[in-house]
Amino acid sequence: AQSVTQLGSHVSVSEGALVLLRCNYSSSVPPYLFWYVQYPNQGLQLLLKYTSAATLVKGINGFEAEFKKSETSFHLTKPSAHMSDAAEYFCAVSDRDTGFQKLVFGTGTRLLVSP
Amino acid sequence: NAGVTQTPKFRILKIGQSMTLQCTQDMNHNYMYWYRQDPGMGLKLIYYSVGAGITDKGEVPNGYNVSRSTTEDFPLRLELAAPSQTSVYFCASRPPGQGSGEKLFFGSGTQLSVL
Repeated sequence: AQSVTQLGSHVSVSEGALVLLRCNYSSSVPPYLFWYVQYPNQGLQLLLKYTSAATLVKGINGFEAEFKKSETSFHLTKPSAHMSDAAEYFCAVSDRDTGFQKLVFGTGTRLLVSP
Repeated sequence: NAGVTQTPKFRILKIGQSMTLQCTQDMNHNYMYWYRQDPGMGLKLIYYSVGAGITDKGEVPNGYNVSRSTTEDFPLRLELAAPSQTSVYFCASRPPGQGSGEKLFFGSGTQLSVL
């Protein structure tokens, strides 16, 4: 069954530092992969998605992620953190086994940004 | 467009009471989903629907029921509320198309406490 594992429930960085949020997936068939962001008291918003085109995917707010099949990873990065990036980030997967109808989320990583 | 609208935003129930969480979308999306979010657990899929008259179970359907009589509405019913159902509930929808490559649109959530 499809699943994603997010390493680290909390990540702390200083403003201007590199952001790296880790996500590893498990799927028996080529997956679609997503990163969503949740700001306090709001629903989730899509940051970026991988759907079997280019392996390096660029999203909103300067975030990007690279699909690495050999490592079964889809880590999220941003070169320079901003205070407004503080939020919870969720990796998610869907695949052909479920007809791409269902999205399975990871447990989330809370990003803390200090001045 | 209002997007995905959930009501109520907050609710406190007593054990054994029943209630319906309302969800409506005005984007003519075929797919609709109900998720629950618990701290440190990410989002778990309760039920989903691929169109009016069609519903299916997700990862954690026990204790819940859904119906989809129209494209716009996808209510979630709790028949006998239990403390384990204390959670934040999110409704989401997505447009028709090829698989889950299209992004989910989330409502702002319903915070439910069962005491």
